[in-house]
Amino acid sequence: DIVMTQSPDSLAVSLGERATINCKSSQSILYSSNNMNYLAWYQQKPGQPPKLLIYWASTREPGVPDRFSGSGSGTDFTLTISSLQAEDVAVYYCQQYYNTPQTFGQGTKLEIK
Amino acid sequence: EVQLLESGGGLVQPGESLRLSCVASGFTFNNYAMSWVRQAPGKGLEWVSAIVGHGGDTYYADSVKGRFTISRDNSKNTLYLQTNSLRAEDTALYYCAKDRIEMATTRFFDCWGRGTLVTVSS
Repeated sequence: DIVMTQSPDSLAVSLGERATINCKSSQSILYSSNNMNYLAWYQQKPGQPPKLLIYWASTREPGVPDRFSGSGSGTDFTLTISSLQAEDVAVYYCQQYYNTPQTFGQGTKLEIK
Repeated sequence: EVQLLESGGGLVQPGESLRLSCVASGFTFNNYAMSWVRQAPGKGLEWVSAIVGHGGDTYYADSVKGRFTISRDNSKNTLYLQTNSLRAEDTALYYCAKDRIEMATTRFFDCWGRGTLVTVSS
């Protein structure tokens, strides 16, 4: 199985500042035939199901604010929130869908400083 | 509006069974692969099982293989998870999740239900 490791486990950022969450896969999740990275990011607020933010490592889901962006390739990926808003407080998960079983990172809890 | 509504969870003893259901609406159900993803209390997300749109191919996590069976009834827009020989470590909120890409098995999810809670305890 591909192991997804996120860092940090928790993060406190001031309103309006940048938040960066990292995700590392135990093997490359770049599919050479289409040059796509099989990585998604989700946001989960307390008491709610996860919400898809980003897929193919950098494609924003329609309706997701443009302050959310994804980057990276191969084994190292980043979710960036350019200007933190109060409503962004949540746990964030990365997920690889390169192969079965699809696996998630352990989650990063984002709070307001 | 796309909606997924799970049901069937409950409190059971180790070794017992439950059948979880997920009723879908707002999209062409048979065009999409579907999955079950679970979340133990206070823990992260674990993919459990998936089934393609026509129901002919199924996939399982090693932790549930041989004990859980995924199925779907496209005439009823309903996804199922038969859970047998339940263990304490199966205690979790079970989410039904819809694949983002139509007619594919990319297995990332753009719509999730609210979940149904399975508690296994003696």
